[in-house]
Amino acid sequence: GESVGLHLPTLSVQEGDNSIINCAYSNSASDYFIWYKQESGKGPQFIIDIRSNMDKRQGQRVTVLLNKTVKHLSLQIAATQPGDSAVYFCAEIVNAGNMLTFGGGTRLMVKP
Amino acid sequence: GAVVSQHPSRVICKSGTSVKIECRSLDFQATTMFWYRQFPKQSLMLMATSNEGSKATYEQGVEKDKFLINHASLTLSTLTVTSAHPEDSSFYICSAVRSGLGTQYFGPGTRLTVT
Repeated sequence: GESVGLHLPTLSVQEGDNSIINCAYSNSASDYFIWYKQESGKGPQFIIDIRSNMDKRQGQRVTVLLNKTVKHLSLQIAATQPGDSAVYFCAEIVNAGNMLTFGGGTRLMVKP
Repeated sequence: GAVVSQHPSRVICKSGTSVKIECRSLDFQATTMFWYRQFPKQSLMLMATSNEGSKATYEQGVEKDKFLINHASLTLSTLTVTSAHPEDSSFYICSAVRSGLGTQYFGPGTRLTVT
């Protein structure tokens, strides 16, 4: 992912709608991807992960899609709730290592 | 399981003083811990990788003499910000890698304010 400096992109959705948060990565050697949720003043919280040999993985209300051809990752949240309001980061790991490289983040705001 | 704690959660100190932040894995052993810094409205930036029983590996641009890291046991790593200045004010977050699994678990963060 790329840092977006001091201005996080913001996605505003209506409660109950589906949300799609996107992330672009640049390292073709990345083989493991994770989405994190970070609420204000707290550490990142694991949401869902996907390995590079997959193109889709589903969790509870969340789906991650991976398109390796264009190096794109997305997080879909179904029936978005006010509690989903947070900043979402994608992170990648290269060659089965331990080090995470974080993307710039997207702020999700859910309107009641 | 897999809980990581940080202490303190918030600290205010005067310029020129040193501050120690602790990161503990509460219910698992962590051979590797990471320290990140996060400025407002920005992403997490890796500062250093802390390995139990050995010297930390610092990322480019991070001063190892200013940010002292000690990983004395499999459940504790400490970050000491020496001679802190206002520009060191930030949110410091640690993560711990569960031995054998590779998954990173994050602490709740420490808000450092240097006046």
